[in-house]
Amino acid sequence: GAVVSQHPSWVICKSGTSVKIECRSLDFQATTMFWYRQFPKQSLMLMATSNEGSKATYEQGVEKDKFLINHASLTLSTLTVTSAHPEDSSFYICSAETRGRSPLHFGNGTRLTVT
Amino acid sequence: DAKTTQPPSMDCAEGRAANLPCNHSTISGNEYVYWYRQIHSQGPQYIIHGLKNNETNEMASLIITEDRKSSTLILPHATLRDTAVYYCIVRVASGGDKIIFGKGTRLHILP
Repeated sequence: GAVVSQHPSWVICKSGTSVKIECRSLDFQATTMFWYRQFPKQSLMLMATSNEGSKATYEQGVEKDKFLINHASLTLSTLTVTSAHPEDSSFYICSAETRGRSPLHFGNGTRLTVT
Repeated sequence: DAKTTQPPSMDCAEGRAANLPCNHSTISGNEYVYWYRQIHSQGPQYIIHGLKNNETNEMASLIITEDRKSSTLILPHATLRDTAVYYCIVRVASGGDKIIFGKGTRLHILP
């Protein structure tokens, strides 16, 4: 089946630094990718939608200058958390799909801890 | 807001069938019902999806009511590894539209 690889699986960084998370579709072309954030004991919260070659569409309340999303190719999207703060500590999950082909597939998530 | 509602939690004895309900009363004619599950600290795993006919695969069965306003995911012989949060979502099959997750059902499999 379709595989979405997310890297790193966990990262610890110091406050004020930036962290990049990669999301790759390994065996299909991802025309659309979604980024989610999940806090403990809560559901997934959609942060943004990105289509290959286009600017990402951010959900209300998500700072686009803080969470930089790049979807430059059909197999790779990146989320960069800039100037991370402890409140950005969370579980970040990407998902990818080929438009017109269901279902949506998810990466295994990245646990970010900002100290 | 999520387009589906699910009970927050359920228990099921190991070896028995787990039946997880989902209400989606505002589902549109071109929207499918998808089920995912999330085991602790992992990304959601696709289980099954359907439009209006009942569906079965190696993981589960999906029963959709005739009016399509609700559905039930059936895990025929639950094991401890089926302990997870189960999410029911609706979306068009062509994709591209964003998915808003509800709170899901936390399924506890009891030994």
